[in-house]
Amino acid sequence: AQSVTQLDSHVSVSEGTPVLLRCNYSSSYSPSLFWYVQHPNKGLQLLLKYTSAATLVKGINGFEAEFKKSETSFHLTKPSAHMSDAAEYFCVVSDRDTGRRALTFGSGTRLQVQP
Amino acid sequence: EAGVAQSPRYKIIEKRQSVAFWCNPISGHATLYWYQQILGQGPKLLIQFQNNGVVDDSQLPKDRFSAERLKGVDSTLKIQPAKLEDSAVYLCASSPRRGPGLENNEQFFGPGTRLTVL
Repeated sequence: AQSVTQLDSHVSVSEGTPVLLRCNYSSSYSPSLFWYVQHPNKGLQLLLKYTSAATLVKGINGFEAEFKKSETSFHLTKPSAHMSDAAEYFCVVSDRDTGRRALTFGSGTRLQVQP
Repeated sequence: EAGVAQSPRYKIIEKRQSVAFWCNPISGHATLYWYQQILGQGPKLLIQFQNNGVVDDSQLPKDRFSAERLKGVDSTLKIQPAKLEDSAVYLCASSPRRGPGLENNEQFFGPGTRLTVL
């Protein structure tokens, strides 16, 4: 079985300061890990993905995440927040070794960016 | 390339009525998924198709929900009869890869259908 825990339901930062959204996962197999972003009334957009290559993954809009197997974590970071980053962020796990391959989503972290 | 298309975008019905949602995946994508996203939660898988066969429907409430993917392309999701707790956004996603051992399971999501049951 696979599961994801997003440790913060809400995160508030000031524009220009760093962003850290925390995620821990559980997987019986070799996981693929993703971060998706959802802006209000818009579809889910893939930010970045880890699929067993480099453990530090760079995504769109300056976001990056580091896969740490020993800590079962996949935290999302950005050096400097922008107002347009305000959205809901989902950490997602998928088992690469099974035919099921569906995504298991965390409960989401709402990022607020203060001017 | 065109993205995943869904219709309608919004639907309001009364409880005990029936409703159907339609999804057209990205051309050539073999795998299609339906997810339910209740307000304030992450999406939850309802059903996964591989071409026109069902791979996983373990979380589909089969007493009221049904889905089909005729000819392995478009898909419809139906609820009959609807309950208040079915109010949610229904997301369709498709993926170009299949099978174990592959490195990429990226899924592409449509805009969703927001269902309100009164």
